[in-house]
Amino acid sequence: DTGVSQDPRHKITKRGQNVTFRCDPISEHNRLYWYRQTLGQGPEFLTYFQNEAQLEKSRLLSNRFSAERPKGSFSTLEIQRTEQGDSAMYLCASRQQSSGANVLTFGAGSRLTVL
Amino acid sequence: QKEVEQNSGPLSVPEGAIASLNCTYSDRVSQSFFWYRQYSGKSPELIMSIYSNGDKEDGRFTAQLNKASQYVSLLIRDSQPSDSATYLCAVDTGRRALTFGSGTRLQVQP
Repeated sequence: DTGVSQDPRHKITKRGQNVTFRCDPISEHNRLYWYRQTLGQGPEFLTYFQNEAQLEKSRLLSNRFSAERPKGSFSTLEIQRTEQGDSAMYLCASRQQSSGANVLTFGAGSRLTVL
Repeated sequence: QKEVEQNSGPLSVPEGAIASLNCTYSDRVSQSFFWYRQYSGKSPELIMSIYSNGDKEDGRFTAQLNKASQYVSLLIRDSQPSDSATYLCAVDTGRRALTFGSGTRLQVQP
């Protein structure tokens, strides 16, 4: 296992289209997080899973965004009817609950450009 | 007031100097504090964590925490051009997800 994997690395889409990102966490990590990062800003929390349960969603998360982690392993983040303001880097991170402190390991990110 | 505040920089230091990066946070119940380094176009990578008041040293890096002042800092000794990056302060507020500052861009001049 080489870490957190994200796919695709880059996605260019037209406004109004749907996009889906996939994240494969480190295999023994039961917690998975999605963050969004725009230029000049720090990562902004979107949502979080413990195993297959989605335990928290940011109030900033539009209803056009949906995330799943059906078997407690990989996760998908779907954005429906994309808008130009959705252009950002979408970061996935994972951690093991039993590791104590909230130390996250990030994937390389999926960069979305909405034209 | 932002939950985690950092000066956006850029902070420019000459090679070999000490770089000092600062962060303040608003939630007094915060327990864990982290510094991540992010190179342009890359994802954040953890470089330091600190949980109790005082200093914690790891190689050229020293993290300092003062909970009474709600202040965290990162010192980088003998700065190298390869240290040029954005440094993100992150705070565990107990809401299960880390809260990040907007980052400080560090430039180390050769």
